[in-house]
Amino acid sequence: EAQVTQNPRYLITVTGKKLTVTCSQNMNHEYMSWYRQDPGLGLRQIYYSMNVEVTDKGDVPEGYKVSRKEKRNFPLILESPSPNQTSLYFCASSRRTSGETQYFGPGTRLLVL
Amino acid sequence: QQQVKQSPQSLIVQKGGISIINCAYENTAFDYFPWYQQFPGKGPALLIAIRPDVSEKKEGRFTISFNKSAKQFSLHIMDSQPGDSATYFCAASMKSGTYKYIFGTGTRLKVLA
Repeated sequence: EAQVTQNPRYLITVTGKKLTVTCSQNMNHEYMSWYRQDPGLGLRQIYYSMNVEVTDKGDVPEGYKVSRKEKRNFPLILESPSPNQTSLYFCASSRRTSGETQYFGPGTRLLVL
Repeated sequence: QQQVKQSPQSLIVQKGGISIINCAYENTAFDYFPWYQQFPGKGPALLIAIRPDVSEKKEGRFTISFNKSAKQFSLHIMDSQPGDSATYFCAASMKSGTYKYIFGTGTRLKVLA
């Protein structure tokens, strides 16, 4: 089954404790992206990747890091989480570029205390 | 320049009625305009999309109307059903240049039985 998976689905952590949210797709997609969803603000792009070792900032990259060492994986790293990073996070992928359908994962709900 | 403005924020429609959600963009380089549907606890999923070379696209009860000169596009849901109750996001992106994916702030639709 073609899908985007994220882990964990739910996470409660404390300020300053480094964490990683994993994202994996099995569709051989080149473009991958991370979004955060907050009430009233919609979906905001954090980082995206055009292919292996090619990443760039979205609209809200502060406090986040990403890496793309393999085509299928695109982890999101919060090196020192803060309460304002409490949010619902989605990973997504598309076949080649941003001008195509994005396939979303199920989401990761993060609470930073 | 990169914003996509979506309205209304919420919408209540009677069963069988027409739901209309509007979006406006500023960057004329955008060349892909999708609408995503999101149910509670799920990731967004593509509903319908349009490119600027056509003014309208219809898929079943869902229609996108696109006005290139006004830089606006809208989603029409005909014969709205309770199962259509969800949050709808418009988005805009481009195949080249910046590879960002810009979403609107979302519209929460409730269809009354």
